[in-house]
Parts: sequence; structure tokens; C-alpha cells
Amino acid sequence: GDSVTQMEGPVTLSEEAFLTINCTYTATGYPSLFWYVQYPGEGLQLLLKATKADDKGSNKGFEATYRKETTSFHLEKGSVQVSDSAVYFCALSYGGATNKLIFGTGTLLAVQP
Amino acid sequence: DAGVIQSPRHEVTEMGQEVTLRCKPISGHNSLFWYRQTMMRGLELLIYFNNNVPIDDSGMPEDRFSAKMPNASFSTLKIQPSEPRDSAVYFCASSQRGEISNQPQHFGDGTRLSIL
Repeated sequence: GDSVTQMEGPVTLSEEAFLTINCTYTATGYPSLFWYVQYPGEGLQLLLKATKADDKGSNKGFEATYRKETTSFHLEKGSVQVSDSAVYFCALSYGGATNKLIFGTGTLLAVQP
Repeated sequence: DAGVIQSPRHEVTEMGQEVTLRCKPISGHNSLFWYRQTMMRGLELLIYFNNNVPIDDSGMPEDRFSAKMPNASFSTLKIQPSEPRDSAVYFCASSQRGEISNQPQHFGDGTRLSIL
């Protein structure tokens, strides 16, 4: 079945460091891919998405490219801030009747000043 | 625009009591999802609805859990009787379902449930 695998956390970085959070997926079809972020005490928020191969999603300095050949959707940011500290979830979804999100386990990012 | 609205934000009750969690999805969204989040199990999909009809309830833990969506603007998740292991944060989310691809899910702020 379909699944999403994320790198284990926590990821601890100093402010202005480069961030990569790895995400790979297994899919029977051609899903859309998403990154969600959860700040402490809040619900999940969409960070970025890509709907087909080679698409790049970007938002707030974060980027991820839908790589069909490596079945990956790694999240990157060139210079993290303390305010980026949160849990990041990679997910996939299809259109039509089966439209649920399949989430990875989440990766906790802690950015230190 | 108002987002997904969940109530209550916090609920503390004793074991054996009935608990009802409520959700108002974003107007115009035709899919609604209930999730549970715990440290041990992470984020779990409990049940979801398309056009008010339950599509997949395979994530509902057991018969003590039930969910309804009587109309497009309201859903409930009920636990009866509640047990301490049901303590968790419960999230509701809604989205606009498409035939090819979907609009993203929008999450509420969650209900933090503590069963003593």
C-alpha cells in the first residue's frame, strides 16, 4: 500500500543553518505531495505542495521538489530561524473518492539561537 | 474567512463518562476528517466523510467511538464510555475534494482531551 517515510528526529540546528528533512514515498499511482507544519499547541498548517513530477513547491523560504525517479520530496531551507522550530509532516494524497492524506511520522525541528 | 472550528478546546472528564467533540468545517468544503494525535502513536486518521457520507472508518479504535455528520456544516465524534487511554489531542480537518487532485486539508486547533 501507499506510505510515507520521514527521517527520524529531532533535528537540532543553529540559526541560519541549512535544513534538509528527507521524505520518501511509496505509491501505487500518481499522488499529490504535501509538507505540513505543526507549531506547538496548534493544528497542522499546509506549508507547501506539489501535484506532479518535477513540480517544486515553495513557501516562506522552504522548498521541495517532487522527484518521481527517486520517489522523494525532501524539504529544504537555506537559512533557518528560531521561529521555524516545529514538527514537519510529509504527506501524499490522491484525488477522487480516496482523498485521505497519508502522513509520515513527523520530524521535530529545534532551532537554537 | 473562518477556519475549521472545533469545540471544546479542552475537555477533562472522568473515566466512563460520555465525551462529544464538535467540528464545523470550512464553508464549501465537502470532505471532513477526524484525527487523533498522541506521543506514542503520532497522528492517526480515525474516519473521514465525503459529502456527509462516511467513506473510511477503519481507523476508529473500537465500538466506543462513533462519528456523525448530519449536514455539511457540522460533525461530532463521540466516545462512550471514555477510558484514560483515549486521552489525546483530536483534530478535525476539511478540504475540497477534486476528481484529479485535492485542495489541501485545513486543520482546526484541536481538542485536548484528558480522561482521568
